[in-house]
Amino acid sequence: DAGVTQSPTHLIKTRGQQVTLRCSPKSGHDTVSWYQQALGQGPQFIFQYYEEEERQRGNFPDRFSGHQFPNYSSELNVNALLLGDSALYLCASSKEGAEQFFGPGTRLTVL
Amino acid sequence: GQQLNQSPQSMFIQEGEDVSMNCTSSSIFNTWLWYKQDPGEGPVLLIALYKAGELTSNGRLTAQFGITRKDSFLNISASIPSDVGIYFCAGQPPLGAGSYQLTFGKGTKLSVIP
Repeated sequence: DAGVTQSPTHLIKTRGQQVTLRCSPKSGHDTVSWYQQALGQGPQFIFQYYEEEERQRGNFPDRFSGHQFPNYSSELNVNALLLGDSALYLCASSKEGAEQFFGPGTRLTVL
Repeated sequence: GQQLNQSPQSMFIQEGEDVSMNCTSSSIFNTWLWYKQDPGEGPVLLIALYKAGELTSNGRLTAQFGITRKDSFLNISASIPSDVGIYFCAGQPPLGAGSYQLTFGKGTKLSVIP
């Protein structure tokens, strides 16, 4: 049973560029949440997708957007990248309740 | 963004010793979760707690959901080298606005001396 998968593993971009990160949820899960984890910090909630809609959003600017596809996979898009966007981006999937299972993350470096 | 108060920030212990860490919040949570994260990896769920006062074990790990619903504790008994990593607590608030997101602590970095 495959767990949560994310791609790419690492990514290097320059300021002002745009990036798309991808996530496939654990089998049987229908909800995907995205988190940003800065070095030495706990993950910060970006948003959650359920039934192809953004159900909840954290305190992140509109430069951060997402999408969920009919097969429950999801994308995170970040426009106009800033140096401060450098972080580990984590995707978590769940079925019901709060038991969110995390993928390995995408390490984004903005130069 | 909001974060939980997790302590201690780091700890060095001898192999075989027991470990305790805790998490507190100014807000009530409906669910408490404990995760472990290894370098370069995503957090791995260790224990989930759903009821105030609940005590749950997973092998050598035991966690408790505080009666006030504003705190949680994680204990690791007879530590081994593979326990090394960063432990995070996470809380989910009651139903309503913000009920879907997990709020995380800053983590407790555990080092085990063989």
